Amino acid sequence: DVKVTQSSRYLVKRTGEKVFLECVQDMDHENMFWYRQDPGLGLRLIYFSYDVKMKEKGDIPEGYSVSREKKERFSLILESASTNQTSMYLCASSFSLAGGQETQYFGPGTRLLVL
Amino acid sequence: DQQVKQNSPSLSVQEGRISILNCDYTNSMFDYFLWYKKYPAEGPTFLISISSIKDKNEDGRFTVFLNKSAKHLSLHIVPSQPGDSAVYFCAARSPAGYSTLTFGKGTMLLVSP
Repeated sequence: DVKVTQSSRYLVKRTGEKVFLECVQDMDHENMFWYRQDPGLGLRLIYFSYDVKMKEKGDIPEGYSVSREKKERFSLILESASTNQTSMYLCASSFSLAGGQETQYFGPGTRLLVL
Repeated sequence: DQQVKQNSPSLSVQEGRISILNCDYTNSMFDYFLWYKKYPAEGPTFLISISSIKDKNEDGRFTVFLNKSAKHLSLHIVPSQPGDSAVYFCAARSPAGYSTLTFGKGTMLLVSP
């Protein structure tokens, strides 16, 4: 079974704090992703990585950065948290398959509240 | 511009009946489609997928239909069970660029006993 774990289920932070969200997968997947989910907006891609030390911007990268120093770990960083970053954050991972028909597997999510 | 649309925010069905969740897309380059199910406070779980070269894929109670000419896919759940109550997301992949998915906004399914 694919396992994607996220470091915290719930986090409360203050405006302006630096926030680290950690994600670890145990299936040797090449690709890792960070999404946020907001009511009425679905899942929106923040950043993704297709290899160690590689990163690409998704649809809403502003206010975020990422780090992938090891294949199994992908971190999302909020440099200076703001109230509009209150959200559910979801990490996912996938293999790179020929033809690209791979499935993304998600972690349980981190619900972040920024006060 | 929304490339994957789930126009029904919610759907209510009685236990034992069929649930039909719909998804429309605008990008004709999409070649792979997936459905995910999400319970509150949990991450989405993969349900079923379909390649653009097929028009139907079945897995137990779940069947996904793809109509490429209409750019429409649907998920059928038969028979529906109360445990199916969740938010269902449709997702699509374009072969261009990296293997990212574009998600719809989701449809909340409520199956009542």
